[in-house]
Amino acid sequence: DERLVESGGGVVQPGTSLRLSCAASGFSFRRHSMTWVRQAPGKGLEWVANINENGSNKDYGDSVKGRFTISRDNGRSALYLQMNSLRGDDTAIYFCARDGAREPFQPFPFLAVWGKGATVTVSS
Amino acid sequence: EFVLTQSPGTLSLSPGERATLSCRASQTVTNNYLAWYQQRRGQPPRLLIYRASNRATGVPDRFSGRGSGTDFTLSISGLEPEDFALYYCQQYGGPITFGGGTKVEIK
Repeated sequence: DERLVESGGGVVQPGTSLRLSCAASGFSFRRHSMTWVRQAPGKGLEWVANINENGSNKDYGDSVKGRFTISRDNGRSALYLQMNSLRGDDTAIYFCARDGAREPFQPFPFLAVWGKGATVTVSS
Repeated sequence: EFVLTQSPGTLSLSPGERATLSCRASQTVTNNYLAWYQQRRGQPPRLLIYRASNRATGVPDRFSGRGSGTDFTLSISGLEPEDFALYYCQQYGGPITFGGGTKVEIK
């Protein structure tokens, strides 16, 4: 059974840092690109970041560029999101997601498997 | 900036009726790389449709997607109680963007 489990969420003050983790199981992690998506309370979905299969290519949404870093450890089947200089508008549920079937030259993925999410609250 | 506009914002229907949801892109979606997701309250999104019209594994055939270029539609024929939820479109022909969502609620 393909599974993604996020951890590391919590309540932090503005300007501080937090690191989210996502543990993958039930599939070959190293063969898939991975994505972080967030959802602010009562709002829609927002793409945060993407990383390719071997970690050599990373892309970020404009609102987190320069503050967040996505990374992965294929040996541990783990995905990470390092979040620095956190702001109130970063408050959200953060979902980790795995790509679906990928066509050649398809630049970004659709998201076939999702975790349940980790809640991050940025508040003084 | 690539914008996906979903309409209507809310769709009020009765069980058994047909739902038609729209997703309009501000520019052409490359190779019709457009997906649809369902999100029930308190749950993560669930993939329904990819590349505009391909149903994901395990998705009932009452869900269908169509469209190309800038105009895409998700249809649900014969709404079941579990179909009342939020629906999002997503394009992945470039940096990922999501539409604002359509809520399908019980009339």
